[in-house]
Amino acid sequence: AQSVTQLDSHVSVSEGTPVLLRCNYSSSYSPSLFWYVQHPNKGLQLLLKYTSAATLVKGINGFEAEFKKSETSFHLTKPSAHMSDAAEYFCVVSDLGNAGNMLTFGGGTRLMVKP
Amino acid sequence: GAVVSQHPSRVICKSGTSVKIECRSLDFQATTMFWYRQFPKQSLMLMATSNEGSKATYEQGVEKDKFLINHASLTLSTLTVTSAHPEDSSFYICSARGVSGQPQHFGDGTRLSIL
Repeated sequence: AQSVTQLDSHVSVSEGTPVLLRCNYSSSYSPSLFWYVQHPNKGLQLLLKYTSAATLVKGINGFEAEFKKSETSFHLTKPSAHMSDAAEYFCVVSDLGNAGNMLTFGGGTRLMVKP
Repeated sequence: GAVVSQHPSRVICKSGTSVKIECRSLDFQATTMFWYRQFPKQSLMLMATSNEGSKATYEQGVEKDKFLINHASLTLSTLTVTSAHPEDSSFYICSARGVSGQPQHFGDGTRLSIL
């Protein structure tokens, strides 16, 4: 079984300050982990993915995430927030042992960026 | 990058109408397509998984006679909401994946409003 917990439903930062969106997961197998971003009334865009290679993963738009197996975490960070980063972010896990590669979504974190 | 087109983006119709939503992979062959439902301010819930040429696999609690899924080709899957009622109003999102292990690519979603 697999599950994902996003620890904050809302995060508010000022433009130009760092962003931290927290994610913890549980998985029976070696997981693949993803972060997706969703803008209003839009589908999901893949920011980055971890698939058992380097533990520090760099994604698009300056985002990166670090896989920490000992902490079962995959937190998303960005050094400097931009107004356009305001959106909903989803942490997602998929067990490599799951033949269907079914995705399990966290509850989402709404990022608000203040000018 | 991989592109998934979902159409229509918005539907408003009367109760009792059947509504068809299309999901197309534009630049890759989608072996598997997924259909999700998203309620306001909530995460995505998987409704069903469809493999090209096979019957869809529905998640527990999803009525297969209500939500008809067809995946007749490697680039097209359709979701038909039959005899839609106001409680079916939601945001429906499809995703598509090539071979197992590749990430899912999402469409922009369809907002369905049943009056």
